[in-house]
Amino acid sequence: RKEVEQDPGPFNVPEGATVAFNCTYSNSASQSFFWYRQDCRKEPKLLMSVYSSGNEDGRFTAQLNRASQYISLLIRDSKLSDSATYLCVVQGGKLIFGQGTELSVKP
Amino acid sequence: GAGVSQSPSNKVTEKGKDVELRCDPISGHTALYWYRQSLGQGLEFLIYFQGNSAPDKSGLPSDRFSAERTGGSVSTLTIQRTQQEDSAVYLCASSLPFLYTQYFGPGTRLTVL
Repeated sequence: RKEVEQDPGPFNVPEGATVAFNCTYSNSASQSFFWYRQDCRKEPKLLMSVYSSGNEDGRFTAQLNRASQYISLLIRDSKLSDSATYLCVVQGGKLIFGQGTELSVKP
Repeated sequence: GAGVSQSPSNKVTEKGKDVELRCDPISGHTALYWYRQSLGQGLEFLIYFQGNSAPDKSGLPSDRFSAERTGGSVSTLTIQRTQQEDSAVYLCASSLPFLYTQYFGPGTRLTVL
């Protein structure tokens, strides 16, 4: 089993749609959680950290369920510019990246 | 301010040759990571340096791969006797100690012919 697993995608959605990404991790001792965004042929960049109580940043909402070892990212009112690969990242020692979920937002 | 820089941006080499990839982290960042990303794949952890501690080399795929970090700053990833399967983008990231956000460099695209 991979340490961090994500929906493989791709997700193809129209502008304005709400889309949710899911991620599970295997190490129950993991301490910190993040979502990164990677544009095509670019380096990954931090999108947001994920806190135990859940957190929101504009159209983006991240949630963590430690009991189920599950992380989610919700994007509301999706924009064309949201098209990218979204990487789930878990830290229990070093950072472990998921394989990423590709999102394509169409007009 | 300056971000993480990597050089070269592209490297084409012949099978069997050695290559060196360089990473200049953000000043003051004590943690430095190397990752590999093959086409259409996720990031594969290679090695992690934290301050003066012994590096975590658990991700290095073979003994052909090695990395150094001199003076707690610049790092060099060396691949000896390159193979075609080594072709990938090699990404370097740095951060403040451990629990902080990682900042990635633009990567070095390595092509082994």
